[in-house]
Amino acid sequence: EAGVAQSPRYKIIEKRQSVAFWCNPISGHATLYWYQQILGQGPKLLIQFQNNGVVDDSQLPKDRFSAERLKGVDSTLKIQPAKLEDSAVYLCASSQAGLADTQYFGPGTRLTVL
Amino acid sequence: DAKTTQPNSMESNEEEPVHLPCNHSTISGTDYIHWYRQLPSQGPEYVIHGLTSNVNNRMASLAIAEDRKSSTLILHRATLRDAAVYYCILTLGNSGNTPLVFGKGTRLSVIA
Repeated sequence: EAGVAQSPRYKIIEKRQSVAFWCNPISGHATLYWYQQILGQGPKLLIQFQNNGVVDDSQLPKDRFSAERLKGVDSTLKIQPAKLEDSAVYLCASSQAGLADTQYFGPGTRLTVL
Repeated sequence: DAKTTQPNSMESNEEEPVHLPCNHSTISGTDYIHWYRQLPSQGPEYVIHGLTSNVNNRMASLAIAEDRKSSTLILHRATLRDAAVYYCILTLGNSGNTPLVFGKGTRLSVIA
């Protein structure tokens, strides 16, 4: 079974530039999460999708972050414009709907904002 | 979600058992105890979870105190590949459909 795919793996940008991250969840997984992990900390939820609908985006900085999940499969997370404090690893996770026991995480995208 | 407390770091010798503690004194009756781990430069991965009874799987064992205010993740024979940050997380229900609230976890070092 293929795992959660993310791209790019690394990205370096200047502050005020825009950036987008892509996630392809495990086939058939209805729930998709984006987490932000700052160096030395545990991951923090940004947004949760169920199919193509948003379940929880209360911690997403909506003035600069946006996310979509077209057709309930792939998802894109965008930052515009980026700030220095956005430097982090962005993790995508997916799980089956219903009584799923586990979330499956991708390898993450490491973003450096200069 | 209820809060958990874990030691910042632990060290183990290779092929020795490792007991990773977690305190969750404010756990509610419907909270599940989950453990995830994060290997270097990878995303977190599920290890084990339980509600009241001790649990075993191919990766580890989970021992839950009778009052559920603490739990211990047990790696029976640590290997170098087990060096990771281990997170103890409480969720209302199974972790698949509930956002995970991560603390700082315990960084496990394994010495050859």
